[in-house]
Amino acid sequence: GQSLEQPSEVTAVEGAIVQINCTYQTSGFYGLSWYQQHDGGAPTFLSYNALDGLEETGRFSSFLSRSDSYGYLLLQELQMKDSASYFCAVSQVDSSYKLIFGSGTRLLVRP
Amino acid sequence: GAVVSQHPSWVICKSGTSVKIECRSLDFQATTMFWYRQFPKQSLMLMATSNEGSKATYEQGVEKDKFLINHASLTLSTLTVTSAHPEDSSFYICSASRQAGETQYFGPGTRLLVL
Repeated sequence: GQSLEQPSEVTAVEGAIVQINCTYQTSGFYGLSWYQQHDGGAPTFLSYNALDGLEETGRFSSFLSRSDSYGYLLLQELQMKDSASYFCAVSQVDSSYKLIFGSGTRLLVRP
Repeated sequence: GAVVSQHPSWVICKSGTSVKIECRSLDFQATTMFWYRQFPKQSLMLMATSNEGSKATYEQGVEKDKFLINHASLTLSTLTVTSAHPEDSSFYICSASRQAGETQYFGPGTRLLVL
């Protein structure tokens, strides 16, 4: 089977840096994605890693270590609007490359 | 861009009726579309994978006769919840990707309430 673990909640202060970790166990790993979801909304794509290393997109960066089955999302210069749920998701090598989502990390940014 | 729309955004129906939800990729052709269900404060659970022109592949535990999926074109997939019951009330979200293995773009979701 497959499983993903990420912290359930993280609290940080506006302007700070926060790291959300994700560990996974899956067969046929293809890549690790990160999605943001605000309450009542749909997930929006943030970042994707297929190879080891760091991917940077503005204030958000994502890291992957395939050998450790581990990745993280790094959010810098936190803003109040970053308060949301963040999901890591693995895509598997099969005919559809479907995504399996983690349970999500609820980030609360305080003033 | 990569825009995915869903219709309707909200639906309330009586128990026993059927509800159809549409998912459209507006500015790209999607060879693969996915349907998810999300209960409050929970993660997204993949229900099925829909490939244009072929039968959908359902995840374990998802009743294919209850959740009918049709992917008739490269821009449209539909999910029909048949004989809906209150326990089917949920947030249904579709996603689409241009090619298998590429980024999935999500629709805004459809909230279903079965009375």
